[in-house]
Amino acid sequence: DTEVTQTPKHLVMGMTNKKSLKCEQHMGHRAMYWYKQKAKKPPELMFVYSYEKLSINESVPSRFSPECPNSSLLNLHLHALQPEDSALYLCASSRSDGEQFFGPGTRLTVL
Amino acid sequence: AQTVTQSQPEMSVQEAETVTLSCTYDTSESNYYLFWYKQPPSRQMILVIRQEAYKQQNATENRFSVNFQKAAKSFSLKISDSQLGDTAMYFCAFLPAGNKLTFGGGTRVLVKP
Repeated sequence: DTEVTQTPKHLVMGMTNKKSLKCEQHMGHRAMYWYKQKAKKPPELMFVYSYEKLSINESVPSRFSPECPNSSLLNLHLHALQPEDSALYLCASSRSDGEQFFGPGTRLTVL
Repeated sequence: AQTVTQSQPEMSVQEAETVTLSCTYDTSESNYYLFWYKQPPSRQMILVIRQEAYKQQNATENRFSVNFQKAAKSFSLKISDSQLGDTAMYFCAFLPAGNKLTFGGGTRVLVKP
């Protein structure tokens, strides 16, 4: 298995909703990432988990809450989001040399 | 802090022709990796090619090749025999020791029939 999967593919939520994005990989990678990407822009790093511990938080607002239940799974819990949080959310995992493999992303729309 | 610059926001090329995308980066590191990622409209980010800084030989993957000039901190991507499926955003990315990948601003490539 050489892919990163993400669910859901699309998500529409109101500003008072609570939802979660899920990411899974079975490549044995021990680092996993969340990125936010706006249209025609490069991905912006949000969080890095290394060996299931949060190692980097790029000053992301607390309405985004990451979770790494085990070495294969990564969640992003969303609560009280703003319309400007609408974006493509990409998950990635990396080998020991750092090369990252990306999932297909979740297109999030906040109304 | 590392920076990666892609000076061409958009490029168009006729099918079967060659196009070269430029990328420059700024770093004081001596050991690092460089990547070109492709992101089609379907949005999945796909690795096109990688280069280890310690290797002098330029990487090649089928129709994709790089010109890596370490002293000049330049890492251009050449797409030969362009195909319609090459239409995408292309991101240059820099990875020093550690986990943080730095992306350039991207170049949108349009292959015309």
